[in-house]
Amino acid sequence: AQSVTQPDIHITVSEGASLELRCNYSYGATPYLFWYVQSPGQGLQLLLKYFSGDTLVQGIKGFEAEFKRSQSSFNLRKPSVHWSDAAEYFCAVLNSGNTGKLIFGQGTTLQVKP
Amino acid sequence: DVKVTQSSRYLVKRTGEKVFLECVQDMDHENMFWYRQDPGLGLRLIYFSYDVKMKEKGDIPEGYSVSREKKERFSLILESASTNQTSMYLCASTQGQNTGELFFGEGSRLTVL
Repeated sequence: AQSVTQPDIHITVSEGASLELRCNYSYGATPYLFWYVQSPGQGLQLLLKYFSGDTLVQGIKGFEAEFKRSQSSFNLRKPSVHWSDAAEYFCAVLNSGNTGKLIFGQGTTLQVKP
Repeated sequence: DVKVTQSSRYLVKRTGEKVFLECVQDMDHENMFWYRQDPGLGLRLIYFSYDVKMKEKGDIPEGYSVSREKKERFSLILESASTNQTSMYLCASTQGQNTGELFFGEGSRLTVL
């Protein structure tokens, strides 16, 4: 069965520091992968997606993610974190079978220290 | 701007009450979803709908039902609320079945006493 694992439940970084959020997936074929962000009190917003092609994808708000098939990973990165990046981040994989369903990871809460 | 609106941000209900959570989207999307969000568990799919009057069970449908009488509206129903249904409920919509680009509402936080 398809699954997504985010190993880090909570991460704290200093403002201006770099960030990497980990995501591992389990999927037989080439996955369609996503990162969503949920700011406090808000719904989820799409940050970026990977379908095929270039394994390094750029998203909104200065985020990028790299697809590594050999490691079954799709880690999210940002070179310099801003206080407004404090939020919960979800990795997701599109379920196979033309259902349109997303399978989400457990989420990683990012805290940014001044 | 595209918009998914959930009618109630916060609700407090008593055990055994019938609860309706309403969701409306203004993007003419075909597909709508109800997720439940709990700490440490991420988002889990309750039900989804591809079209008016069409519905399919997600991963945790027990204790829930849904209604989609109009394309823009997708309702989640708790026939008899229980304390273990205290949670954040998120509605989402998307056009097409393989985009993965869901548009979410702001959520409805339900507390069942």
